Amino acid sequence: AQKVTQAQTEISVVEKEDVTLDCVYETRDTTYYLFWYKQPPSGELVFLIRRNSFDEQNEISGRYSWNFQKSTSSFNFTITASQVVDSAVYFCALSEATGSNYKLTFGKGTLLTVNP
Amino acid sequence: DVKVTQSSRYLVKRTGEKVFLECVQDMDHENMFWYRQDPGLGLRLIYFSYDVKMKEKGDIPEGYSVSREKKERFSLILESASTNQTSMYLCASSSPLGREGGDTQYFGPGTRLTVL
Repeated sequence: AQKVTQAQTEISVVEKEDVTLDCVYETRDTTYYLFWYKQPPSGELVFLIRRNSFDEQNEISGRYSWNFQKSTSSFNFTITASQVVDSAVYFCALSEATGSNYKLTFGKGTLLTVNP
Repeated sequence: DVKVTQSSRYLVKRTGEKVFLECVQDMDHENMFWYRQDPGLGLRLIYFSYDVKMKEKGDIPEGYSVSREKKERFSLILESASTNQTSMYLCASSSPLGREGGDTQYFGPGTRLTVL
């Protein structure tokens, strides 16, 4: 069975600090996809990134960057120069093939609080 | 942009009532999903559907049923609401596997259901 572990339940930082959210996964599939979602206090999950298992290049989008390491089964997310608006729950997820389609397995989430 | 809407943001019902949660997406997605989110447990899949009139059980289907009569609409039904079904309910939709980005799920704003 697939599993996603986000060991950090809560993280608190001061604005402008860099912060890394950890994600470790387990799967027997050779082809899979990894995701990060952000859930601000309003409640809606916002899609941030999708990464396939064959592409280990790091990705950068503004202040956000992602480090995918297949050797350690990790897909970590770093926010550089954090801002108060980054305060949210962040979920890592892994796609799992089921029949001819798929479903997502989510980690339990990391609550990030950025203090002014 | 993908838009997923849910009929209510907040709902209060009494034990034993039949409850309908509605979800509508406007991107012609084949796949739709219902999750519940509880503190410390993350997101758990209740039911999903890959096509009209098709449904499959997720990880926690007990006490729930679903209906998908039209492609854009996926309803979650609590036949007889109980207090342990008090939770945040999230709907999502996606394109089918094989289409570019097909396993990326887009979420609605959520319905916070309280059963008294």
